[in-house]
Amino acid sequence: EAQVTQNPRYLITVTGKKLTVTCSQNMNHEYMSWYRQDPGLGLRQIYYSMNVEVTDKGDVPEGYKVSRKEKRNFPLILESPSPNQTSLYFCASSLWGGRTEAFFGQGTRLTVV
Amino acid sequence: EDQVTQSPEALRLQEGESSSLNCSYTVSGLRGLFWYRQDPGKGPEFLFTLYSAGEEKEKERLKATLTKKESFLHITAPKPEDSATYLCAVSLTGGGNKLTFGTGTQLKVEL
Repeated sequence: EAQVTQNPRYLITVTGKKLTVTCSQNMNHEYMSWYRQDPGLGLRQIYYSMNVEVTDKGDVPEGYKVSRKEKRNFPLILESPSPNQTSLYFCASSLWGGRTEAFFGQGTRLTVV
Repeated sequence: EDQVTQSPEALRLQEGESSSLNCSYTVSGLRGLFWYRQDPGKGPEFLFTLYSAGEEKEKERLKATLTKKESFLHITAPKPEDSATYLCAVSLTGGGNKLTFGTGTQLKVEL
């Protein structure tokens, strides 16, 4: 089954404690991205990657890092989480970025206290 | 600034009561417009892609249309299982393959 898998689904952490949210896709897609979803603000892109070892900032990259060492994996790293990063996070993949539909993971609900 | 605006924010329908959701955009160089459905606690699920003005696509009770400045998602004879948040997103030429999302329309269909 074609899918995008994120882990964990739920995470509560404390300010400053480094964390990683994993994302994996099994569709051999070139393009992967991370979004955060906040009430009233919709989905906003954090980072994206057009291929292995190629990543770039989206609209709200501050406080986040990503890496793309393998085509299927695109982890999101929060080096020093802060409460304003409490949000619902989605990983997505697509064959050719904005030209084709994106497939989304189930989401990771992160709470930073 | 590129913007995507969806209306209404929320819509309550009786089963069988047809209606339309709107997505208007102020962007230069539209590459594609996407509609997604999102159920509570889940990731968005792809519905349609529209690429040029005048294009229409249908799937069961849903029909999406596109003009030069807006798109409509028409829902014909909705059922309770159509209740969800419907998201619109645009992709721009020269926009780095990014999707810019609207904030969605929360649809509730009641018996």
